[in-house]
Amino acid sequence: DAGITQSPRHKVTETGTPVTLRCHQTENHRYMYWYRQDPGHGLRLIHYSYGVKDTDKGEVSDGYSVSRSKTEDFLLTLESATSSQTSVYFCAISGGGAKETQYFGPGTRLLVL
Amino acid sequence: SQELEQSPQSLIVQEGKNLTINCTSSKTLYGLYWYKQKYGEGLIFLMMLQKGGEEKSHEKITAKLDEKKQQSSLHITASQPSHAGIYLCGAEPNNAGNMLTFGGGTRLMVKP
Repeated sequence: DAGITQSPRHKVTETGTPVTLRCHQTENHRYMYWYRQDPGHGLRLIHYSYGVKDTDKGEVSDGYSVSRSKTEDFLLTLESATSSQTSVYFCAISGGGAKETQYFGPGTRLLVL
Repeated sequence: SQELEQSPQSLIVQEGKNLTINCTSSKTLYGLYWYKQKYGEGLIFLMMLQKGGEEKSHEKITAKLDEKKQQSSLHITASQPSHAGIYLCGAEPNNAGNMLTFGGGTRLMVKP
């Protein structure tokens, strides 16, 4: 298994509160990704990073910010959580470039009340 | 943007039966990935196809890529309860390889 961990694995929070999810890798991969998985929508890309301090938006980036200060860590922040951000969040890593497989973490289940 | 449609959305088969899951793209496929997700867990990479006509197998799972039809199929032979889960296809929307678009998934149940 690829060395990817996510924390926390489960979180319940209230609307309007800030939330930060962490993805940590031990593979020294260049690319890191944050996806959300919702019924009827499959997996959708939120943000991705192609290096330290290099990030870009994905398909559903509104309401989310990311930071990558070290190769091994990629943080996803919900500045002010809303109920529509209740979801399962997955982190993925890859070496980058065409035909490089993405490997996924175990996911974080977030419930915003 | 590229869209991937998977069919069927869900499938219940008797143990020992064969089954096929399809993934059809609205645009050119530059790389097609198959993942399996057990309920409540992360995605496990199964295989990747990158050339038209390519076929790969892993244990009892075979995936094929039909570039002209912009479609991939995943075939499971002699299904077992361990095959149960959600199968997702993902594709590179361009040839840069920096992101994947996913289909909605196919939920497979195998009855003992």
